Amino acid sequence: EAGVTQSPTHLIKTRGQQATLRCSPISGHTSVYWYQQALGLGLQFLLWYDEGEERNRGNFPPRFSGRQFPNYSSELNVNALELEDSALYLCASSLQRANYGYTFGSGTRLTVV
Amino acid sequence: KNEVEQSPQNLTAQEGEFITINCSYSVGISALHWLQQHPGGGIVSLFMLSSGKKKHGRLIATINIQEKHSSLHITASHPRDSAVYICAVPLVDKLIFGTGTLLAVQP
Repeated sequence: EAGVTQSPTHLIKTRGQQATLRCSPISGHTSVYWYQQALGLGLQFLLWYDEGEERNRGNFPPRFSGRQFPNYSSELNVNALELEDSALYLCASSLQRANYGYTFGSGTRLTVV
Repeated sequence: KNEVEQSPQNLTAQEGEFITINCSYSVGISALHWLQQHPGGGIVSLFMLSSGKKKHGRLIATINIQEKHSSLHITASHPRDSAVYICAVPLVDKLIFGTGTLLAVQP
């Protein structure tokens, strides 16, 4: 069974540009979570999608947005990139909520120059 | 006070040593995750446990729900075990992560 896949693995963008990160959950998982790990910091909750709807978001500006598609894959969009957006962005999926079978992707490393 | 606390923050061991990393949490949970992150790398899920003990190779994870405490043990440690180990507690809509334990195993 394929795990949670994220693309691209690495992404380099210029300040002010937009970045799009993608995540495909494990087959059968309907919930997708996005987390940010900035350099030297712990993992911070970004967004939770379930059944195509945004269910919760963390303390991040509206520049961070996303969506979940009918096949439960998800996109994370970061607009007007700032240098401090450079981080590892981690996607995880679960059956319904974080209590169940939580599986992580290997992350997308975004570098803003 | 963080909802999920790990100790120690940093740990240096000699190859072959038995290692213990601790995680204490204050939020109610149904399961707890142990994760591994190598330098510059992504995150790998090691264990999800809700009671008792789980073992995978040289890794053992235990949890005491009543005491809200979990431990990750590494037996016969090896330099390739050098990584950050993170515990995470699920809430309804997200995970709460500990700050991580940076483990360095020297040959």
